[in-house]
Amino acid sequence: GAVVSQHPSWVICKSGTSVKIECRSLDFQATTMFWYRQFPKQSLMLMATSNEGSKATYEQGVEKDKFLINHASLTLSTLTVTSAHPEDSSFYICSARVMSPGAGLTYNEQFFGPGTRLTVL
Amino acid sequence: AQSVAQPEDQVNVAEGNPLTVKCTYSVSGNPYLFWYVQYPNRGLQFLLKYITGDNLVKGSYGFEAEFNKSQTSFHLKKPSALVSDSALYFCAVRASNDYKLSFGAGTTVTVRA
Repeated sequence: GAVVSQHPSWVICKSGTSVKIECRSLDFQATTMFWYRQFPKQSLMLMATSNEGSKATYEQGVEKDKFLINHASLTLSTLTVTSAHPEDSSFYICSARVMSPGAGLTYNEQFFGPGTRLTVL
Repeated sequence: AQSVAQPEDQVNVAEGNPLTVKCTYSVSGNPYLFWYVQYPNRGLQFLLKYITGDNLVKGSYGFEAEFNKSQTSFHLKKPSALVSDSALYFCAVRASNDYKLSFGAGTTVTVRA
């Protein structure tokens, strides 16, 4: 299978600060990555689609100036939560999309990172 | 629009008993269906998927799921549950010509010893 990592796994920050979360595909290239948000005991909600070399596509209701996404390379996407507030506290999960099928990978299949727990005090 | 319904918030079973987690879906065209498991403070772990072929799909950790096109269902099953199967389970769907996944609300499985 394919491996996706996230860093950090957890972060605690003060209100008003910005936090950057990294998502890396370790053994495949991902022109598209996805960022999800998950509240306790709830489902994953897609926040945005991150496209390598172009602007991210945000889902309705997600503030693009609040959640900055940069996909600078084929293996790295970053999500920056700007001026974080307690209501931004959540579990953020990224996934990477397979563009080149092979070695058991299916085109368009998504592999998920382990998640990042953000707590804003 | 595509959607997934997991009608049960919680499923409780005794260890050694069969486990079933229900999922129905709605999608335009051919569905690609997935089951994931999530342990506390962890990301999603892939269990199994249906793309095409046999309706009965076998996956990781002894889980299997049956695709039923007429009932638009993809229920997850395990013949003999373990305490370690206690977790949050998500069903997901996407259309064959799309890449966006839609997730169900999740079902918390508790297996008691």
